[in-house]
Amino acid sequence: AQSVTQLGSHVSVSEGALVLLRCNYSSSVPPYLFWYVQYPNQGLQLLLKYTTGATLVKGINGFEAEFKKSETSFHLTKPSAHMSDAAEYFCAARRAGNMLTFGGGTRLMVKP
Amino acid sequence: SAVISQKPSRDICQRGTSLTIQCQVDSQVTMMFWYRQQPGQSLTLIATANQGSEATYESGFVIDKFPISRPNLTFSTLTVSNMSPEDSSIYLCSGGDMEKLFFGSGTQLSVL
Repeated sequence: AQSVTQLGSHVSVSEGALVLLRCNYSSSVPPYLFWYVQYPNQGLQLLLKYTTGATLVKGINGFEAEFKKSETSFHLTKPSAHMSDAAEYFCAARRAGNMLTFGGGTRLMVKP
Repeated sequence: SAVISQKPSRDICQRGTSLTIQCQVDSQVTMMFWYRQQPGQSLTLIATANQGSEATYESGFVIDKFPISRPNLTFSTLTVSNMSPEDSSIYLCSGGDMEKLFFGSGTQLSVL
């Protein structure tokens, strides 16, 4: 069965520092992969997605992610953190039936 | 992109009662799903809402407890029946296609 693992339930960075949120998936077939962000008391907003083609995917708000088949990873990065990036981030993989399986989430905290 | 509206946005209910959550999409979507997000946790899929037929439930969720309707390609409802405090959670509707799923802002349910 498809599963998604996010390493680190909490990540803290300083404003202006690199953001790295880790995501690994388990699948014999490369799935569609997604990153969503959830701000407090709001729903989920799609940051970016990988389906096929280029393995480096650029999303909104300066985020990008790289699909690495050999490592079964889809880590999310942003070169310089902003205070407004503080939120919960979810990695997800599409599985059979087209629904999404979500990772456990990573809460990003940005220190001034 | 699709805009998904959920009603109500929050509610406080008494034990033993039922609540119906409505989900409206501003465009026709192939797929609709209902997720639950318990406090501080990730998203768990409840069921796939199938247009014109019975929903497909994930393990641990049953139709008697979570009846779902989907009369057309833009609307679905989820009912949480005979509620208990353990049902206190955020319920999220999602809709989209194979490459992209959009989410509503959720219904925060508290059961006393």
